Amino acid sequence: QQQVKQSPQSLIVQKGGISIINCAYENTAFDYFPWYQQFPGKGPALLIAIRPDVSEKKEGRFTISFNKSAKQFSLHIMDSQPGDSATYFCAAWAGSNYQLIWGAGTKLIIKP
Amino acid sequence: EADIYQTPRYLVIGTGKKITLECSQTMGHDKMYWYQQDPGMELHLIHYSYGVNSTEKGDLSSESTVSRIRTEHFPLTLESARPSHTSQYLCASSDQDEQFFGPGTRLTVL
Repeated sequence: QQQVKQSPQSLIVQKGGISIINCAYENTAFDYFPWYQQFPGKGPALLIAIRPDVSEKKEGRFTISFNKSAKQFSLHIMDSQPGDSATYFCAAWAGSNYQLIWGAGTKLIIKP
Repeated sequence: EADIYQTPRYLVIGTGKKITLECSQTMGHDKMYWYQQDPGMELHLIHYSYGVNSTEKGDLSSESTVSRIRTEHFPLTLESARPSHTSQYLCASSDQDEQFFGPGTRLTVL
């Protein structure tokens, strides 16, 4: 029940296309859903996050869509650029224990 | 950019050596974490701390130990390194829900 399942494991998208990464969870106590971006040789960094009281959050080319009833959330990257090539992790947080539950990661490659 | 530092960035050592990976943050965060990650793979929580003198083991069984004597400092120690410890070790800190990560230490045990 503590797991966050992330798919796909890897994704190749043409420059200018839309990249979509999906995550699903079981624990309804989760109340914060961030996406982290990690470049090779660096630690992950927060990209965008959402709370379950909204269904969508957009920041520039990055959008989180959240479906509370289905217990799913996804990251959409519009107009994908080669600089977006990185590993993306979804995560979920139940504030009571201060631990993030991490997805397994998606390696995204944007082809020029 | 987050003010969280890890040293060394790279370390190659022989089997059986004792090592300490350093992690410091200047943000005054109470919560700190150590993760183990093979390059580009899943993050595994190995230790965490909610504050000074508070340490807990994470989900991944680890032969390492940690200490939290000062808020800003959260070192990780391996008493006897083995080749299976070869990995990247990431330190993070948080105030509320966002975790800020250091650049990591890439450890190779020969």
